[in-house]
Amino acid sequence: DPKIIQKPKYLVAVTGSEKILICEQYLGHNAMYWYRQSAKKPLEFMFSYSYQKLMDNQTASSRFQPQSSKKNHLDLQITALKPDDSATYFCASSQEGGAREQYFGPGTRLTVL
Amino acid sequence: QQKVQQSPESLSVPEGGMASFNCTSSDRNFQYFWWYRQHSGEGPKALMSIFSDGDKKEGRFTAHLNKASLHVSLHIRDSQPSDSALYFCAASEPDTNTGKLTFGDGTVLTVKP
Repeated sequence: DPKIIQKPKYLVAVTGSEKILICEQYLGHNAMYWYRQSAKKPLEFMFSYSYQKLMDNQTASSRFQPQSSKKNHLDLQITALKPDDSATYFCASSQEGGAREQYFGPGTRLTVL
Repeated sequence: QQKVQQSPESLSVPEGGMASFNCTSSDRNFQYFWWYRQHSGEGPKALMSIFSDGDKKEGRFTAHLNKASLHVSLHIRDSQPSDSALYFCAASEPDTNTGKLTFGDGTVLTVKP
């Protein structure tokens, strides 16, 4: 059974719209993360949460908002979508925050037209 | 300048051969290093971590770290077609509480049967 679930697998959106990417982890971890991978850039850290508290935000835009409703959930809301937002978004988790091995989900591939 | 640089961009080795990857950091705050592997259509998966100078061996995989030069390498002996994937070097600061990983661009490995 997959330990980190990301939904949907593929997502197509129009410019200006809003989407929510879902992430649930069943590893019992206390820290969760979002990364972005596009053709233009390597895997890029976006956010980290530990015990449902924001630890780090490396996104330059407020259009990206993480939402943690439960300890094992960290969704990503993206508003006012732009074509440059097209990328694969990966959720990850680790036992604690800090320098720990991170386990990645399968990703959500977002295409903004 | 990208803080974690990898070489080569791509690599092709025969089955049973040795694959070698290099990674250099330009940020002296980075003291902890990981190697991740990503198969097509999947999320990255950690192969091994190395935090101390010298070699670390896990099965067919050997990592080497030189903190003075901030250079880390990964060697895969007896390469198998299933090792064909994208390999990332990732780095973090030792006292981070955010869990942020900084990734290199990756090296594409092709193992030919």
